[in-house]
Amino acid sequence: EPEVTQTPSHQVTQMGQEVILRCVPISNHLYFYWYRQILGQKVEFLVSFYNNEISEKSEIFDDQFSVERPDGSNFTLKIRSTKLEDSAMYFCASSDESPTNEKLFFGSGTQLSVL
Amino acid sequence: LAKTTQPISMDSYEGQEVNITCSHNNIATNDYITWYQQFPSQGPRFIIQGYKTKVTNEVASLFIPADRKSSTLSLPRVSLSDTAVYYCLVGDGSSYKLIFGSGTRLLVRP
Repeated sequence: EPEVTQTPSHQVTQMGQEVILRCVPISNHLYFYWYRQILGQKVEFLVSFYNNEISEKSEIFDDQFSVERPDGSNFTLKIRSTKLEDSAMYFCASSDESPTNEKLFFGSGTQLSVL
Repeated sequence: LAKTTQPISMDSYEGQEVNITCSHNNIATNDYITWYQQFPSQGPRFIIQGYKTKVTNEVASLFIPADRKSSTLSLPRVSLSDTAVYYCLVGDGSSYKLIFGSGTRLLVRP
């Protein structure tokens, strides 16, 4: 079964540093998403991306965050200056249909630890 | 987006059938009901989706009464590996985001 791949699985960084989390969505998917989950808390929506632009974003997704699809396969989340509260598991997801379907395929996540 | 309410946790034993009910009193005409499963340290995984009546796949069944104000996810003969958090989501897909609630934490005991 095709799957969403995320790298790295763990990322440790110092506060104030930039991090880039990488994702390879399922190849024929058109809609891409980033979610995050702080330990013990809900899965929170960050941003959705379609047709090379952001479709929707949450309040969490402030100017420190950006997303990019630099080529035909990768989808990245950049945090410019990490804060302690950015420590979380970050999940990438993709889907092949319009949001009406609401069937997303999630990756296994990148555990980001900001020290 | 319709708000959903689920039990915080449930316990079961291996081999039993587990039914998790989700309330969505203000569901809209165009809304679908979708369930996800999440294991620790993994991303949510789509289980099943329905609009009305009953839907069944190889993993679970979804029962939706005529008024659609609730839905029940049924897991037949659970095993230890079904221990996970189960999320009920309701939406019409007009938004590009899924909103996850707190989910139901299912613990399957031997």
